[in-house]
Amino acid sequence: QVQLQESGPGLVKPSQTLSLTCTVSGGSISSGTYYWSWIRQPAGKGLEWIGRIYTSGSTNYNPSLKSRVTISVDTSKNQFSLKLSSVTAADTAVYYCARVSRSITRTTYYYYMDVWGKGTTVTVSS
Amino acid sequence: DIQMTQSPSSLSASVGDRVTITCRASQSISSSLNWYQQKPGKAPKLLIYGASSLQSGVPSRFSGSGSGTDFTLTISSLQPEDFATYYCQQSYSTPYFTFGPGTKVDIK
Repeated sequence: QVQLQESGPGLVKPSQTLSLTCTVSGGSISSGTYYWSWIRQPAGKGLEWIGRIYTSGSTNYNPSLKSRVTISVDTSKNQFSLKLSSVTAADTAVYYCARVSRSITRTTYYYYMDVWGKGTTVTVSS
Repeated sequence: DIQMTQSPSSLSASVGDRVTITCRASQSISSSLNWYQQKPGKAPKLLIYGASSLQSGVPSRFSGSGSGTDFTLTISSLQPEDFATYYCQQSYSTPYFTFGPGTKVDIK
C-alpha cells in the first residue's frame, strides 16, 4: 500500500526558508487521479491545510500562506516538496504530507486525504 | 472563506457510550465533509468522507450524517481505542480545504 514519509531539517532559523520533502513509496506519484498535499499542526492546536500539487505541476495554496509557499513535484524521484520562506516562530509545527483522493457519487466529486505521512516536527528558532 | 466549527470542544465518555460530535459550516457545503481521528503523536486518520461514506477498514461503529451546514459524527459504542481528537474538514471549496477546531474525546 502507498506510504508517505516526510524528511527535512528539524530546526530552521527565523527569516530563513523551511524545506521539506515527502517521499511516496508503494506506488507511483503519477498514477491515478491524486493530488498531493501539505498540512501543518502547531503543538496543541488544530490542523491547517498549506497547499496541494498535481503531478502536472499545477498547484493551489492556502491564501493565508500563498505569498511564502512553494510546492513542487519530482516524479522521477516519486517525491513532492514544500518550501516556506521568511519563517517565524509561528511556523513552528508538525508538518504532514498527505495524498488527496477523489470519489464520485452520481455527479458530485468528493475529495479527502486518505494517506498521511507520520509527520515531521519543524522548530523555528535562532 | 468557509469556516468550520465543532461542538463540543471536548467531552468525557465511558466505554460503551454512544458519542455524537457536531460540525457546522458557515455556508452550505452540500455533503463535502470529511471526518478524521487523531491520536496523540500520530497523523490524522480518515474515518468518513462525503459526509456519510465509511472509509475502508474503519469500524462500522463510526457513522456520519448531515448535509448543507450541519453534520454529525456518531460512535455507536465507544471503545478504548476511540479516545482521540476528531476533526471535521470541508472539501466543498476544493482545492481549498479547511478543518474544524477539533473535539477531544477522553475517558470519564
